[in-house]
Amino acid sequence: EAQVTQNPRYLITVTGKKLTVTCSQNMNHEYMSWYRQDPGLGLRQIYYSMNVEVTDKGDVPEGYKVSRKEKRNFPLILESPSPNQTSLYFCASSFIWTQYNEQFFGPGTRLTVL
Amino acid sequence: EDQVTQSPEALRLQEGESSSLNCSYTVSGLRGLFWYRQDPGKGPEFLFTLYSAGEEKEKERLKATLTKKESFLHITAPKPEDSATYLCAVRADGSNYKLTFGKGTLLTVNP
Repeated sequence: EAQVTQNPRYLITVTGKKLTVTCSQNMNHEYMSWYRQDPGLGLRQIYYSMNVEVTDKGDVPEGYKVSRKEKRNFPLILESPSPNQTSLYFCASSFIWTQYNEQFFGPGTRLTVL
Repeated sequence: EDQVTQSPEALRLQEGESSSLNCSYTVSGLRGLFWYRQDPGKGPEFLFTLYSAGEEKEKERLKATLTKKESFLHITAPKPEDSATYLCAVRADGSNYKLTFGKGTLLTVNP
């Protein structure tokens, strides 16, 4: 089944404790992206990657890191999480070199930082 | 700056009562307008992509249309299972495939 998977789905942590949220897709998509969703603010892009070893900032990158060492994986790293990073996070992927570049989203990771 | 505004914020319908959701957008150059459905606690589910004014797409009870300034999602004879938040997003020229989302319309269909 074609899908985007994220782990963990739920995470409660404390301020300053480094964490990684994994994202994997099995559709051979070039493009991968991370969004956060907050009430009243909608979905906002954090980072994106257009290919292996190519990443760039989105609209709200502060406090986050990413890496793209393999085409299928795009982990989101919070080196020192803070309470304002409490949010619902989504990973998405798509083709970019075809006309079919709609983004497909993972199931989400709900993060709470105490 | 690219902007997407959806209205209404919330819409409550009776089963079978048709209506439309609106998505107004301002972009430097539209490369695609996307509609997604999102159920509570889940990721957005892709519905449609529209690329040019005048284009229409249909899927079951849903029909999406596009003009130069807005898109409509028409829901014909909705059922309770159509209840969800509907998100509109645009991709603009030079955006590196970033989607700019509206805040969504929460649709509730009562039996």
